[in-house]
Order: sequence, then structure tokens, then C-alpha cells
Amino acid sequence: NAGVTQTPKFQVLKTGQSMTLQCAQDMNHEYMSWYRQDPGMGLRLIHYSVGAGITDQGEVPNGYNVSRSTTEDFPLRLLSAAPSQTSVYFCASSPTSGFYNEQFFGPGTRLTVL
Amino acid sequence: KNQVEQSPQSLIILEGKNCTLQCNYTVSPFSNLRWYKQDTGRGPVSLTIMTFSENTKSNGRYTATLDADTKQSSLHITASQLSDSASYICVVSPFSNEKLTFGTGTRLTIIP
Repeated sequence: NAGVTQTPKFQVLKTGQSMTLQCAQDMNHEYMSWYRQDPGMGLRLIHYSVGAGITDQGEVPNGYNVSRSTTEDFPLRLLSAAPSQTSVYFCASSPTSGFYNEQFFGPGTRLTVL
Repeated sequence: KNQVEQSPQSLIILEGKNCTLQCNYTVSPFSNLRWYKQDTGRGPVSLTIMTFSENTKSNGRYTATLDADTKQSSLHITASQLSDSASYICVVSPFSNEKLTFGTGTRLTIIP
């Protein structure tokens, strides 16, 4: 099992550009989520999905879109990048959204917006 | 607002020594508390998960304790190794994964 994979590992964008961060898992997990990690702050939830075709907003969803067409993939789209979106992005998955389910995190994507 | 506070922010200890990291939380209602280890440039990896009814949980040289009355948890690392150098993050969940509250972490450095 590859677990949770993310691409790219690093990305530099100019303000206003769009891009998609890819996330895939091969554990047949129902629940997937996206977080951002900023210096001096805990991870914050951007969007999450409890299954294919179902997505919902987290704590900081503005400026991001997601879709979940398959169980395996959960891409995160930045529609018009802003410097405030400079961060490290982590994708995570767990068997379900149940409260005792361990979350498995990907290796992260470091995004810089100039 | 639900909060998770960790102390110290950073810690440096000699290889082979023990250390204890602290986590205080105000999340309510509360169902479980997790400790994660995050190596530099990597994603967090789960160390322990404790429900509100558990007082202690071990994973090798890592032992987590929980006092739900005082809303405090600690992570004790025994006989530290260089590979223990990482950030340790305390995470509290009221109900489900979409409601997790993350602490800012303790940066632990082990020196030979």
C-alpha cells in the first residue's frame, strides 16, 4: 500500500493563477480531508468528504474547491491564488469519519504564492 | 472557542534522557485525544488515541496520559533517541474527524 500520496511536493504560483493539488489513497477509505498548516498555528480543516460524491466545508474553505468523483481521489483546487494561501497542505484519510478512526496523512505540498 | 494548548513550545534534551510534553484543552464536548508525531517535511503520524474513559495508552517508548477532569494530557518519551527529534501535536476530537482541534505542537530536539 502506498497509503496517502500527494502531488506536487513543491509549487510556486503567481497571484491569480489557478492550480490543483492532487491527493490519492489506496486504502479504500471513505473519509478524506484537506488541511493547511501555517507557522504558529495548528492544522486547519479546509474541506472534507465522507464518501464519493459528498463534500463539505471545513474551518477555512474560502478560495478552495474540492470534488470527490471516486473513493480514491480528492483533489483540491485553488481558483485564483493569493499570497495568503502560501502554506503547507496536507491531505488525510480515515476508514470513516467516526470519532475513533485514526487519520493517515500524506507527505504534504508546500505552496508559495508570490 | 475550543482550544488546545501545548507546552513547552520547544525542548532540547540529551539522547537517552526522558521527557514529558504537556497538552491542555478546552474542547467540549470531548470524545478522544490523539498525539501525533510530525517529522520535518513530512505529514503527521498517529502515536496514540485515547477515549475520554482511558487514562493511559502506550506505544513503545511513548506513553500518553489523560485526565479528563482537569482536561490535561501528557506524552512521556522514555530513553529518547535521535529519531525522536520531531514536532509532537496534540489533537482533540468532540465527535468526529471533521471537528478535530489541533494544537500548535512541541518541537523536540534530541542531541547526541
